[in-house]
Amino acid sequence: TQLLEQSPQFLSIQEGENLTVYCNSSSVFSSLQWYRQEPGEGPVLLVTVVTGGEVKKLKRLTFQFGDARKDSSLHITAAQPGDTGLYLCAGASGSARQLTFGSGTQLTVLP
Amino acid sequence: DVKVTQSSRYLVKRTGEKVFLECVQDMDHENMFWYRQDPGLGLRLIYFSYDVKMKEKGDIPEGYSVSREKKERFSLILESASTNQTSMYLCASSLLYTEAFFGQGTRLTVV
Repeated sequence: TQLLEQSPQFLSIQEGENLTVYCNSSSVFSSLQWYRQEPGEGPVLLVTVVTGGEVKKLKRLTFQFGDARKDSSLHITAAQPGDTGLYLCAGASGSARQLTFGSGTQLTVLP
Repeated sequence: DVKVTQSSRYLVKRTGEKVFLECVQDMDHENMFWYRQDPGLGLRLIYFSYDVKMKEKGDIPEGYSVSREKKERFSLILESASTNQTSMYLCASSLLYTEAFFGQGTRLTVV
């Protein structure tokens, strides 16, 4: 069974601070996605990374896929209260139709 | 935009009732999924389907069944609802081996 471990599980920071969320596995994934989920809503896709070492930027969010395609990170610069939510990583592998989800990081950005 | 629509945002059902949760997607995706999400347990896969009339068990299928008579529609059935099935239920769809698109979720309470 493939597992994805996210850390930290909870993160509470002040507006303007930087943060990094990690997603680690012992398995290789063909691609990895990051989602954000707001209370009472379904997860919304933020980005997909496919190539080992790939870095993608989405405004103040930077996503990196590890060289070996086993891990990923999400870095947020100058966090804002609107960034508050549950961040989920999910991995896809060629042998399985379903995604493997991490347990999530609950981020709270205080004004 | 991909749209995944779940039939209800909130449901309250009595113990022992048969419950139907409906999900429709408009992007001709092969794969459809049902997850439940509980605090501290993350997203857990109940069932998924990769074609009409095809279904596969996920990690926690007990107490649930599914139906996929048309490509765009995937139904989750609780044959006899129990209080431990109180949860947030999320439907998702995807193309083969790619990112998932989620519905807004159904908050089910069984009393």
